[in-house]
Amino acid sequence: DQQVKQNSPSLSVQEGRISILNCDYTNSMFDYFLWYKKYPAEGPTFLISISSIKDKNEDGRFTVFLNKSAKHLSLHIVPSQPGDSAVYFCAASAGNTGANSKLTFGKGITLSVRP
Amino acid sequence: GAGVSQSPSNKVTEKGKDVELRCDPISGHTALYWYRQSLGQGLEFLIYFQGNSAPDKSGLPSDRFSAERTGGSVSTLTIQRTQQEDSAVYLCASIATGRQTQYFGPGTRLLVL
Repeated sequence: DQQVKQNSPSLSVQEGRISILNCDYTNSMFDYFLWYKKYPAEGPTFLISISSIKDKNEDGRFTVFLNKSAKHLSLHIVPSQPGDSAVYFCAASAGNTGANSKLTFGKGITLSVRP
Repeated sequence: GAGVSQSPSNKVTEKGKDVELRCDPISGHTALYWYRQSLGQGLEFLIYFQGNSAPDKSGLPSDRFSAERTGGSVSTLTIQRTQQEDSAVYLCASIATGRQTQYFGPGTRLLVL
């Protein structure tokens, strides 16, 4: 039972355009969401996160939007660059009180940015 | 400062053998997680250590899997009597107390023949 779903396995965009990566979740107890980026043969690296008390968080070219009523979040990358080509994992945790919580991951989306 | 390191980076073993995977977390990080990623799948939680508390073993897929964390630092994940379905990338992550961001190591790629 996938509690975090990334339904599109891949996405291809032109350099300079916007990349929109989607993620849905089913567990209403999730209250903290993260995006990780993974290059081949490397571990995932943290990209951006958002708490359930917010609906938007922005960091440079990366913005994460959270729609709690729809149990949906998305990562926007603008403008997209070839170096953004990687696998992007959406992750969620429950218990956002500063306590460490295990992450539940989606299966990932492979983003390809064409020069 | 050094990040999370894992060894070996690759391991090929025969079915039925035992393997031991090692994780060195970031110095000072009190919590440590093990995940695995099978082909075409997301990261699957295995086990979690937090300080001196009893570990959360709820993700371990069978009793062939065990892990320990000595001295609150280095952790080893042991898989006994390996099976082909154990083939995966095993990832370790550590996190500082009270924080939410987990920092991952590069993983150990395990192949069971």
